[in-house]
Amino acid sequence: DTAVSQTPKYLVTQMGNDKSIKCEQNLGHDTMYWYKQDSKKFLKIMFSYNNKELIINETVPNRFSPKSPDKAHLNLHINSLELGDSAVYFCASSPSVRGTEAFFGQGTRLTVV
Amino acid sequence: DQQVKQNSPSLSVQEGRISILNCDYTNSMFDYFLWYKKYPAEGPTFLISISSIKDKNEDGRFTVFLNKSAKHLSLHIVPSQPGDSAVYFCAASEKSSGDKLTFGTGTRLAVRP
Repeated sequence: DTAVSQTPKYLVTQMGNDKSIKCEQNLGHDTMYWYKQDSKKFLKIMFSYNNKELIINETVPNRFSPKSPDKAHLNLHINSLELGDSAVYFCASSPSVRGTEAFFGQGTRLTVV
Repeated sequence: DQQVKQNSPSLSVQEGRISILNCDYTNSMFDYFLWYKKYPAEGPTFLISISSIKDKNEDGRFTVFLNKSAKHLSLHIVPSQPGDSAVYFCAASEKSSGDKLTFGTGTRLAVRP
């Protein structure tokens, strides 16, 4: 029974397209996050939401828009995809705003061609 | 500006011996530190954490040591097992910036049978 699940696991798309990555957690956590792991393996936070409210926005381009329809879901929509968006995107959740002991999804490998 | 650094990209140890993974940080406001383990094609999995009010935390074969004056922490795994082979990420958080996790670049541990 997966705690934090992301779909799709792999996503290959052309430059300029718009795509979404979905994330759901069944842990009852209040806070959810999106992290990006780039080609250099840096794992950096993009957004965090607490009870559907945006808490952290780490100067991510406006082309990235998170959407939280309820506290169990945090989807990531990306407009006008660029080559540099290619990365692995991880969704995570935690039981507190603190962000400690976050539980991560399996990741979505996005490749923009 | 990398605030959390893992200077050893890889480490190889013999099964049964001790593995020591190191992490340095520059932000003196960090007050909570975590270690995550990551297998290929999976998300990071929480391993162990330590608050800045402590200098040691132990959980089974895993012990984390914190030296605040040196801004250094380490993860000790003893005895090491082949199943411990993975990438280990050090992470830190501070309350004043929404408690986001700032990750190091990871150390790949290989435990030889």
